Amino acid sequence: IAGITQAPTSQILAAGRRMTLRCTQDMRHNAMYWYRQDLGLGLRLIHYSNTAGTTGKGEVPDGYSVSRANTDDFPLTLASAVPSQTSVYFCASSDSSVAGGPLDFGPGTRLTVT
Amino acid sequence: QQQVKQSPQSLIVQKGGISIINCAYENTAFDYFPWYQQFPGKGPALLIAIRPDVSEKKEGRFTISFNKSAKQFSLHIMDSQPGDSATYFCAASISGANNLFFGTGTRLTVIP
Repeated sequence: IAGITQAPTSQILAAGRRMTLRCTQDMRHNAMYWYRQDLGLGLRLIHYSNTAGTTGKGEVPDGYSVSRANTDDFPLTLASAVPSQTSVYFCASSDSSVAGGPLDFGPGTRLTVT
Repeated sequence: QQQVKQSPQSLIVQKGGISIINCAYENTAFDYFPWYQQFPGKGPALLIAIRPDVSEKKEGRFTISFNKSAKQFSLHIMDSQPGDSATYFCAASISGANNLFFGTGTRLTVIP
């Protein structure tokens, strides 16, 4: 059982370029999340999805978009990357559509925007 | 504005000692308080969690103490081991909401 996979593992991206971070889970969890982790700020929620076909904004959604076409996949897109989006991005999922349940995190994608 | 305040930022403990990490919150609607452990290059993993109907929860060497009136909760690691060296995050959420608010993290180093 893989759990949550994320791709790529790391990426260096020129500012202004478009980038999609991929996330796939094989646990059939209803809820999925994207967090960014920055030193001194902890993890902050970017977007979430309670179930396939629905998405919502988290604390820091600006500059990011998501889609949830099916249960397993939850890609995060940066339409036009900026240096402030340099971060480590974690995808997570939960077996409950209601927050407060335990989150399973993927291994992360380290993104550097130059 | 940080919803959950965590301290200290870093902690060095001797092997066999007790590691204590503290968190505080303001939103009294929070009703779920987990702790996550993160090793370098890995995603965070749930360590232990508590709900406000109890004041303490223990799992092995890890204990959460919860003080509802003070709006504080803490993680105690007894008999700390070098393998416990990691970054620890406290968090809080409201049932029915979609966000788990994380603290800023504590980097724990346990020296042999």
